[in-house]
Amino acid sequence: DSGVTQTPKHLITATGQRVTLRCSPRSGDLSVYWYQQSLDQGLQFLIQYYNGEERAKGNILERFSAQQFPDLHSELNLSSLELGDSALYFCASSVDEGLTYGYTFGSGTRLTVV
Amino acid sequence: GDSVTQMEGPVTLSEEAFLTINCTYTATGYPSLFWYVQYPGEGLQLLLKATKADDKGSNKGFEATYRKETTSFHLEKGSVQVSDSAVYFCALSDISGGGADGLTFGKGTHLIIQP
Repeated sequence: DSGVTQTPKHLITATGQRVTLRCSPRSGDLSVYWYQQSLDQGLQFLIQYYNGEERAKGNILERFSAQQFPDLHSELNLSSLELGDSALYFCASSVDEGLTYGYTFGSGTRLTVV
Repeated sequence: GDSVTQMEGPVTLSEEAFLTINCTYTATGYPSLFWYVQYPGEGLQLLLKATKADDKGSNKGFEATYRKETTSFHLEKGSVQVSDSAVYFCALSDISGGGADGLTFGKGTHLIIQP
């Protein structure tokens, strides 16, 4: 157990729907990162939050949004889902805003859009 | 922008063989370098890291040396085991380059160790 908790582990939904993925960072970590992993694109950075504030945006679609709450858990909202959104979505956390020490990853949410 | 290039697999070796997985990078600043490992059905786990040139990261028999002159961070292990079968990702962070866009990952190398 890495200490980063992601729920749900699996999600199957239809095109056009909206889903919410949840992440609880490791105790003491203030930064949360979201990544999408697909076979063709590899690991793509989506967005980063630090202590409730958005810090960096990567290749995140406008249909996707995220937030980090006061208790530091984070949610990734995916709307108007398309077949191509099927992927593994990982959350990671780190103790600081910098990346000197690397991340701790959760075990991911596998999203299947049918 | 920043990028990481690593050999694509699958790489198939026999148990006790010597392992090298090549990784080269492009970065505008002075990145920290990482190797992550992903076992089937699991998230990525940090294997080792190096934060400056000539640093050597090591863990569980794996080693990698930060080579600034060749912009490389090759992963090595002297004697692999079946349990080392996994996907290995090379990654960099480049905050000093002005961005904080998370880690930049290579595409991953699938390693298969046969008994």
